[in-house]
Amino acid sequence: QQKVQQSPESLTVSEGAMASLNCTFSDRSSDNFRWYRQHSGKGLEVLVSIFSDGEKEEGSFTAHLNRASLHVFLHIREPQPSDSALYLCAVRMTNSAGNKLTFGIGTRVLVRP
Amino acid sequence: DMKVTQMPRYLIKRMGENVLLECGQDMSHETMYWYRQDPGLGLQLIYISYDVDSNSEGDIPKGYRVSRKKREHFSLILDSAKTNQTSVYFCASSSGEDTQYFGPGTRLLVL
Repeated sequence: QQKVQQSPESLTVSEGAMASLNCTFSDRSSDNFRWYRQHSGKGLEVLVSIFSDGEKEEGSFTAHLNRASLHVFLHIREPQPSDSALYLCAVRMTNSAGNKLTFGIGTRVLVRP
Repeated sequence: DMKVTQMPRYLIKRMGENVLLECGQDMSHETMYWYRQDPGLGLQLIYISYDVDSNSEGDIPKGYRVSRKKREHFSLILDSAKTNQTSVYFCASSSGEDTQYFGPGTRLLVL
């Protein structure tokens, strides 16, 4: 069964300083990796999806996938206080039963002015 | 503007009462989902619907049922709610296996 773990549990950064989040998954046959952001009391907002090894940039968010090491990273460039939120990693695996998205518990990011 | 809506946003029920959570989407997505989110557990899939009257159990379906009579609406029903069903419930929709778009959530408290 797919396991998705995120680290750190929480992260405090200063406004403008790069923030880096880590997501580890357990199944190398996973085929799609997404990062979501959830502001307090709100729904999930998709930030970036990545399918193949390497980097994918969407605005100030860059996902970096290394399937061999079972890691997908999210880098937040020049974060603002409005980027303070819970960041969730979601990993999709497709097999004969269909496809399934497994979420990590999240990294809570606080951006200080 | 693509949107997933959920009603109600907040709900308090007593143990044993029936609960109906509603979800709507305006994107004509075939696939819709119900999740619950609990501290320390993340999002867990309750049910998935591939289209009208085509529903499948997710990882934690026990105590829940769903109804999808129109493509744009997906309901989650708790018959005789239990206190351990206190949670935040999220609905999502997607076009096939594409990105899932989430609603704002319903915060349910079962006393």
